[in-house]
Amino acid sequence: AQTVTQSQPEMSVQEAETVTLSCTYDTSESNYYLFWYKQPPSRQMILVIRQEAYKQQNATENRFSVNFQKAAKSFSLKISDSQLGDTAMYFCAFLPGAGSYQLTFGKGTKLSVIP
Amino acid sequence: NAGVTQTPKFQVLKTGQSMTLQCAQDMNHEYMSWYRQDPGMGLRLIHYSVGAGITDQGEVPNGYNVSRSTTEDFPLRLLSAAPSQTSVYFCASSSSDVYNSPLHFGNGTRLTVT
Repeated sequence: AQTVTQSQPEMSVQEAETVTLSCTYDTSESNYYLFWYKQPPSRQMILVIRQEAYKQQNATENRFSVNFQKAAKSFSLKISDSQLGDTAMYFCAFLPGAGSYQLTFGKGTKLSVIP
Repeated sequence: NAGVTQTPKFQVLKTGQSMTLQCAQDMNHEYMSWYRQDPGMGLRLIHYSVGAGITDQGEVPNGYNVSRSTTEDFPLRLLSAAPSQTSVYFCASSSSDVYNSPLHFGNGTRLTVT
């Protein structure tokens, strides 16, 4: 079974600054997919960014980027130029390849952006 | 553009009562799933379905039943509610290519069992 660990229950960042949320995972799979999901106070979960394990290049989506370290089983999320709308719970998630449909989520990091 | 619709938004049950949480999507998604979210626990997969007539268990299936008679609907049934089932429940769907397609979530149902 896979496990996903988010070691930072809560974080805060000043508006316009950069923050990094950490995520580590444990798996014996060689091919898998990693995701960051955002849950704002409205409770609506939305996908922020995804990474395929066999791709060495780190994924980027506008102000959001990841640092994927496969050997270390680490998948951190960097948010640049933080905005008030980034205030949310952030969940790291793991999906094995090879036909699995079981997505495993971490416990989440509550991020507060301070004006 | 409805997306994933969950009803009800809130529900209070007494121990032993049964109820069905409804989930419907209008995106013709083959994959649908139910999660529960508890404080400090993240989201945990209860059941999922990869198409009409096909369901499978997730990480925490005990106490819940599902069925998938149509592509659009994926109801979650609690046969005999227990206080341990107090949680926020999310339904999510995506295309069958779950690796490349994002999960679309509903707004959740907050269930309290007394």
